[in-house]
Amino acid sequence: DTGVSQNPRHKITKRGQNVTFRCDPISEHNRLYWYRQTLGQGPEFLTYFQNEAQLEKSRLLSDRFSAERPKGSFSTLEIQRTEQGDSAMYLCASSLSVQQETQYFGPGTRLLVL
Amino acid sequence: DQQVKQNSPSLSVQEGRISILNCDYTNSMFDYFLWYKKYPAEGPTFLISISSIKDKNEDGRFTVFLNKSAKHLSLHIVPSQPGDSAVYFCAASALKNYGQNFVFGPGTRLSVLP
Repeated sequence: DTGVSQNPRHKITKRGQNVTFRCDPISEHNRLYWYRQTLGQGPEFLTYFQNEAQLEKSRLLSDRFSAERPKGSFSTLEIQRTEQGDSAMYLCASSLSVQQETQYFGPGTRLLVL
Repeated sequence: DQQVKQNSPSLSVQEGRISILNCDYTNSMFDYFLWYKKYPAEGPTFLISISSIKDKNEDGRFTVFLNKSAKHLSLHIVPSQPGDSAVYFCAASALKNYGQNFVFGPGTRLSVLP
């Protein structure tokens, strides 16, 4: 399978704990995006990378959230001191940097903060 | 303030008939639009896109229509099949700023009844 993969698929944690999610994009894609989706809503943009550079961050991304893409391949999204409001599906997408790009999504990581 | 709106949370259609899903946007800078389909426990899957230089794009059973003056687009599925039952998201971006985030609507749940 050469699509976007995300691990873990599910994560249950207690409030105040730190969690880290991983995304492996399609291998030739140089852009990588993180989105968050809550029930009844569409995906909301969090941040994106072009190669290893983080080019944009949403105001939704509080200072408890940090994302990295150290070698321009896989990416990690860490949430520190989790809160119940962080419970959501975290989606990763990748694309090629062409003008009319199509973003291809992974299956997501569902986070539940108790 | 939602920049991309899908005012019908759900739609039911008989198998073989036409499904029409609607999307409205408010930001006149948007010039590239996409439809994604999402099954439970999976990430969104790209269906079809259209740029603002066109008013129609067709791919098999799927056709997207764009009315720029009304800031409205629609997805037509003909004929509808039970496997089309999913949540459909409309997304928009500004090509001049390509590489930045897509803005998604809240989705419409389509049920195709056999």
